[in-house]
Amino acid sequence: KNEVEQSPQNLTAQEGEFITINCSYSVGISALHWLQQHPGGGIVSLFMLSSGKKKHGRLIATINIQEKHSSLHITASHPRDSAVYICAVSPNYQLIWGAGTKLIIKP
Amino acid sequence: NAGVTQTPKFQVLKTGQSMTLQCAQDMNHEYMSWYRQDPGMGLRLIHYSVGAGITDQGEVPNGYNVSRSTTEDFPLRLLSAAPSQTSVYFCASKRTGGNEQFFGPGTRLTVL
Repeated sequence: KNEVEQSPQNLTAQEGEFITINCSYSVGISALHWLQQHPGGGIVSLFMLSSGKKKHGRLIATINIQEKHSSLHITASHPRDSAVYICAVSPNYQLIWGAGTKLIIKP
Repeated sequence: NAGVTQTPKFQVLKTGQSMTLQCAQDMNHEYMSWYRQDPGMGLRLIHYSVGAGITDQGEVPNGYNVSRSTTEDFPLRLLSAAPSQTSVYFCASKRTGGNEQFFGPGTRLTVL
């Protein structure tokens, strides 16, 4: 069993829909990361969380340390949000990566 | 700042050939790492370095060598390329004690 599991693997939605991507992990961590990888391949860090909730524009990330679970939400989704969203956890200075969720937002 | 740069962006090799993937960062980050990304799998750590002169193996080090002679540069060497090394390779860096990693644009390597 992978130490970091993401769901769904693939998600297609219409523009404007509220999007939720989930991440569950099985190890103790110091932080959880959400990253975005665009079709061109570049990886960008979106959030780093150790507790609670963070918001940046239309993106919201939450984490429940007791349940070892995090969610990434996108409000008012837009085609430019189409990307692969990756969850990664830091048990130490290294990262353990989820396989990613491929999101497609149709106009 | 250029951030993390990688060269080349694309490379095709024949089995048995050798090559070096270059990675450089201008943020004075102590920690640098190399990952490979394969379809349907998360990024996997190949090698990492916590500072100049110090390197260590990650999850999938076989077939790869690294060195860290300067803080800025962290090249990844394939001594004898194999088709199983066909992948996209990412270099990343972060400051010691920091959690956010900064990624290079990736190198797409095909081994025939």
